[in-house]
Amino acid sequence: GENVEQHPSTLSVQEGDSAVIKCTYSDSASNYFPWYKQELGKRPQLIIDIRSNVGEKKDQRIAVTLNKTAKHFSLHITETQPEDSAVYFCAASIENGGSQGNLIFGKGTKLSVKP
Amino acid sequence: GAGVSQSPRYKVTKRGQDVALRCDPISGHVSLYWYRQALGQGPEFLTYFNYEAQQDKSGLPNDRFSAERPEGSISTLTIQRTEQRDSAMYRCASSLFLAGGNNEQFFGPGTRLTVL
Repeated sequence: GENVEQHPSTLSVQEGDSAVIKCTYSDSASNYFPWYKQELGKRPQLIIDIRSNVGEKKDQRIAVTLNKTAKHFSLHITETQPEDSAVYFCAASIENGGSQGNLIFGKGTKLSVKP
Repeated sequence: GAGVSQSPRYKVTKRGQDVALRCDPISGHVSLYWYRQALGQGPEFLTYFNYEAQQDKSGLPNDRFSAERPEGSISTLTIQRTEQRDSAMYRCASSLFLAGGNNEQFFGPGTRLTVL
């Protein structure tokens, strides 16, 4: 089955710097890669996703890149702000028609942005 | 509109007791997923439904765990003869089912299960 590895487990940056979180996956059939943000005591919320038919997607300060050949994808946050502090999870699944199927999550990265 | 809701939010039970966890998906959402999240870990897939049909139950740890969604809306996750290792946050998520559409999984607040 699918296995998703995520690095680093913790990341501390200064406000205004960039943050990069990397994930690798094992199942070449996976074609859907979402990123979730989870603030302390709250539920995970989708912040951006990418499908295997594109290599990069950007939404304001957040971007995700995908390398299908190497089976890895990364989250890039630019101009970090204290409110970006949270745990970020990557995930992978096989999306088929209208179904995302079961998401396999990485273990998470705790991002701390210091003012 | 209302998001995914779960009840109870907290459940403390003694080892050996059965528990039933409930999930109310967003109205109109066809797909419903159950995950388990240990402290400091990512959600771990348990099972999911499209409408009332259970599509994949490969993540259920053993036969003490079962789930149902008889009318294609509310779902119940049942754990029989609970053990201490079952203690975790149990989260439900729901999504639309649109070919080529945005089928984002929206998570519920979770049920924190503690088995003494």
